[in-house]
Amino acid sequence: GAGVSQSPSNKVTEKGKDVELRCDPISGHTALYWYRQSLGQGLEFLIYFQGNSAPDKSGLPSDRFSAERTGGSVSTLTIQRTQQEDSAVYLCASSPPFEGSGYTFGSGTRLTVV
Amino acid sequence: AQSVSQHNHHVILSEAASLELGCNYSYGGTVNLFWYVQYPGQHLQLLLKYFSGDPLVKGIKGFEAEFIKSKFSFNLRKPSVQWSDTAEYFCAVNNHNTGKLIFGQGTTLQVKP
Repeated sequence: GAGVSQSPSNKVTEKGKDVELRCDPISGHTALYWYRQSLGQGLEFLIYFQGNSAPDKSGLPSDRFSAERTGGSVSTLTIQRTQQEDSAVYLCASSPPFEGSGYTFGSGTRLTVV
Repeated sequence: AQSVSQHNHHVILSEAASLELGCNYSYGGTVNLFWYVQYPGQHLQLLLKYFSGDPLVKGIKGFEAEFIKSKFSFNLRKPSVQWSDTAEYFCAVNNHNTGKLIFGQGTTLQVKP
């Protein structure tokens, strides 16, 4: 597609449930990032995939969070046993090989844990 | 660890006032620098970026930023703001070693008509 696509756009879940958030990057973009944006906060780095290299998971806040990227394209961010503090907008971005022209962001998934 | 600091959290200006938003970063190696804007209800958009060359970078909508390597700074400027510039502004830095893009906390700009 023309841009980075994220689904769902909104997700309301009960505390303790697992959720999966999906990101479809721009075709050909080798780098993919997940960020979390909470109210009044900046963008918190979560995880970074670059080509076939091992992902940089240094930003994942706990072991309840995991992400994978299949076939170098689509990525899924999974949050297990959701907590209320997980409520935020989860943003995905992709870019060409990182020396390239910059990053394109999706419109995000707004997650609300009730 | 790499970090990005934006000094102004909330700025209120009248139309036609000049704008300068501060951004400092901590990484000492080779970096790329970005400013993104997020208008109310919209997703992040790139305003401008610095990769190399002229440290004064011009972006869209009359924005510019100056990379001062000795000060680890990349401040955003606009000579005369408009009401439509009301938005949240994010400075971001990535380093050539990891490619990881790190954001500042953001600055909310409110322009009064």
